[in-house]
Formats: sequence, structure tokens, C-alpha cells
Amino acid sequence: DAGVTQSPTHLIKTRGQQVTLRCSPKSGHDTVSWYQQALGQGPQFIFQYYEEEERQRGNFPDRFSGHQFPNYSSELNVNALLLGDSALYLCASSFLPGTGGARAYGYTFGSGTRLTVV
Amino acid sequence: AQRVTQPEKLLSVFKGAPVELKCNYSYSGSPELFWYVQYSRQRLQLLLRHISRESIKGFTADLNKGETSFHLKKPFAQEEDSAMYYCALSPHAGGTSYGKLTFGQGTILTVHP
Repeated sequence: DAGVTQSPTHLIKTRGQQVTLRCSPKSGHDTVSWYQQALGQGPQFIFQYYEEEERQRGNFPDRFSGHQFPNYSSELNVNALLLGDSALYLCASSFLPGTGGARAYGYTFGSGTRLTVV
Repeated sequence: AQRVTQPEKLLSVFKGAPVELKCNYSYSGSPELFWYVQYSRQRLQLLLRHISRESIKGFTADLNKGETSFHLKKPFAQEEDSAMYYCALSPHAGGTSYGKLTFGQGTILTVHP
């Protein structure tokens, strides 16, 4: 099992450009969450996708958007890049128990995509 | 709103000494608490979660709802425990977790030989 796979591993973009990051969840997982981790900070929740819909969203502007495909993989898109968008972007997958009082457990994280905006 | 605070950015101990990494949280409901660890050049991975009440690699953590704390403890630190540790909180309501994780800023633990 390859776990969570993210691509690319590193990316350099110019301010104002657009970027797409990709994530393949761990086998058996159907929920994908995206996090932004600035240098020296803990990861910050961007949004979560389940059944191809955005289920939750953190405090990020509309420039950040995403998509989930039928095979549960996901993309994170960032438009009009700012210097402050430079960070490590982490993808985390899990299954989201929706019935029977089950609880979501820990997530499996990918290695991340290091985005540098110049 | 939920918040997780890890008051120590850096923590250094000697091998064999006890270690405690502090975590305090604020959340109005009933949260799920986790500890994640990131070893050098590795991805973030789950260390333990409070609902399972398990001990992983000798680490334990007890949820203290009165003090809103979830401190991570190990009686005898090992050099291989050196890593970045994150405390995280997930809201839980009505038997179904919303799943969003709120992380603290992390504590870098260094265990000296």
C-alpha cells in the first residue's frame, strides 16, 4: 500500500499564477482533506472532500478551490498566487463514518507538496 | 471555535529521563484529541488518539476535561523519540466526527545521549 501520494513534491510559481496540486488517497479511504503548513507552524485546515463535494472549509479565501474525482483522488487549486501562499501543502485521507455512531479516526498524511511563490 | 496550544516550542531531555509534552485545548463541545509525530524527513503520522487509550512506543496521553489538557508522557525517553510532535483536535458531535483537525504549533523534542 503506497499510502497517500502527492504530486508534485516541489513547485516554484510566480506571483499571480495558478497552481494545481494532486493527491491520491490511501487505498480504502474515501475522504480527502487539505492542509497548509507554513514554516514553523502547525498544519492549517483548508477543506475536506467527501463524495466529490466540499464538506467543510477552513478560513481560506475563494482563491483556494478543490475537486474530488470518482476514484477519490483530489486536486487543490490556488489562483492568483501570493507570496504568502508559499508553504507545504499536505493531503490527508481517511474514511468518514457517517452512521452508527462511528467516529473518524486518525488521518493518513502524504509527504506534501512544497510550493514556493516568487 | 477550537484552539490547540502547545506552550513549548522546544524541549530537550537526556536519554532515560521522563518527558512530558504539554497540550491545552479550547472547544465548547466534546472533542477528539490526537498526537501526531513527524520524524526527520518523514511524513506526519498518528502517534495516538485519546479514544483508544492505547500506549504507542511507550507514550501515553490522558484527556483531562477539567483542565482541558491532553499532555503526552513517556517515563523513559529514547534518542529515537527525537522528533516534532503535534497535538490536534477534531470536533465530535452526535456520534459523527466532522473530521477537521486543528493542530497546535508543535513541540520539537530532542533527546540527548
